[in-house]
Amino acid sequence: AQTVTQSQPEMSVQEAETVTLSCTYDTSESDYYLFWYKQPPSRQMILVIRQEAYKQQNATENRFSVNFQKAAKSFSLKISDSQLGDAAMYFCAYRSPPAGANNLFFGTGTRLTVIP
Amino acid sequence: DAGITQSPRHKVTETGTPVTLRCHQTENHRYMYWYRQDPGHGLRLIHYSYGVKDTDKGEVSDGYSVSRSKTEDFLLTLESATSSQTSVYFCAISVAPGLNTEAFFGQGTRLTVV
Repeated sequence: AQTVTQSQPEMSVQEAETVTLSCTYDTSESDYYLFWYKQPPSRQMILVIRQEAYKQQNATENRFSVNFQKAAKSFSLKISDSQLGDAAMYFCAYRSPPAGANNLFFGTGTRLTVIP
Repeated sequence: DAGITQSPRHKVTETGTPVTLRCHQTENHRYMYWYRQDPGHGLRLIHYSYGVKDTDKGEVSDGYSVSRSKTEDFLLTLESATSSQTSVYFCAISVAPGLNTEAFFGQGTRLTVV
């Protein structure tokens, strides 16, 4: 079974600074997708960014970018110019090729605190 | 925002009672999922559906059943609630199988079994 590991239960960052959240995963597949979801106190799960394994270029969405290292099975999220609204729980997730559930496998999450 | 409504949003129930949670979508998406979220575990798949009357188990399906009689509704039933089923339950929808297909989530149901 696929596993997704987030080794940082909690992180903090000063407002306007940069923070990196770590994620590693285990898979035998060659093509797959990786996602970062944000869960603010409202509990809503919000997609932040996604990365296809076949693409070497790291995905970027405004202040959010990833560092995807396929050989190391690492998928970290970098948040630049952190804002108070970035405070949330962040989940890394993996999706394997379509079969059966086409399920997302989630890590245990990292709680990010933004310090004013 | 994707049109997903979960009901109820909060529920407290007693051990041994049956409980049904409802997920309603207005997007006509084929795939629907039920996850539970627990501290230290992230989100884990309970059951999923790939069409009307087509359902299958996820990794934590014991003690749960589901039904999907219409495209828009996916029901999760706790047949006899236990304290270990105290959790936050999320419904998600997805348009079709695909690697980059985004899953949209409902706002969650907090269930407490006392």
